[in-house]
Amino acid sequence: DIQMTQSPSSLSASVGDRVTISCRASQSISTFLNWYQQKPGKAPQLLIYAASSLQSGVPSRFSGSGSGTDFTLTISSLHPEDFATYYCQQTYNTPLTFGQGTRLEIK
Amino acid sequence: QVQLVQSGAEVKKPGSSVKVSCKASGGTFNSYAISWVRQAPGQGLEWMGGIIPLFGTPNYAQKFQGRVTITADESTSTVYMELSSLRSEDTAVYYCAKSPGGLTGRGGMDVWGQGTTVTVSS
Repeated sequence: DIQMTQSPSSLSASVGDRVTISCRASQSISTFLNWYQQKPGKAPQLLIYAASSLQSGVPSRFSGSGSGTDFTLTISSLHPEDFATYYCQQTYNTPLTFGQGTRLEIK
Repeated sequence: QVQLVQSGAEVKKPGSSVKVSCKASGGTFNSYAISWVRQAPGQGLEWMGGIIPLFGTPNYAQKFQGRVTITADESTSTVYMELSSLRSEDTAVYYCAKSPGGLTGRGGMDVWGQGTTVTVSS
């Protein structure tokens, strides 16, 4: 199975900050990497697919980059509604696997 | 725009089975894939398996092999996930999610059901 490791596990930031979350795969997955946002009590929401493609309806302050084993999710300027948990996921092969999550909290 | 509507919360005894449904509203499955993902309380996301209803062959995570059965009824645009031999560790929210390009590939899970809480308790 491909293991996905996110860092950091939690992060405190302020409204307006630029934030970066990292995700590393245990083997090369090309650009078969997606990012999700999840708020408490809600289903996850797709933000970025194929490492860098913005899902329809997602604000442009979210961006993704990377290929192979190392990937990054960047939020250019935090809005109050961005405080949530973020997950990366590989869709290179089955079983599909997720990172452990990064909790983004208000400083 | 397809929406996924799941069945309601369940409370089950250890050793029993649960069957959760996921109905596509406002469209059909076409060639989409439907995955089942669960989330234990306070924990992360775990993929259990999935199916492309048009083709009917499910793909299961090794961890759940022998305990999970995923089926699709194209006539009602509904996918089912049955989990047997339930134990307390299966207490979780179970989500179905749609992937437009198949289970694998350069696409994510773009539509999710609302989640079904399954509680396993004696």
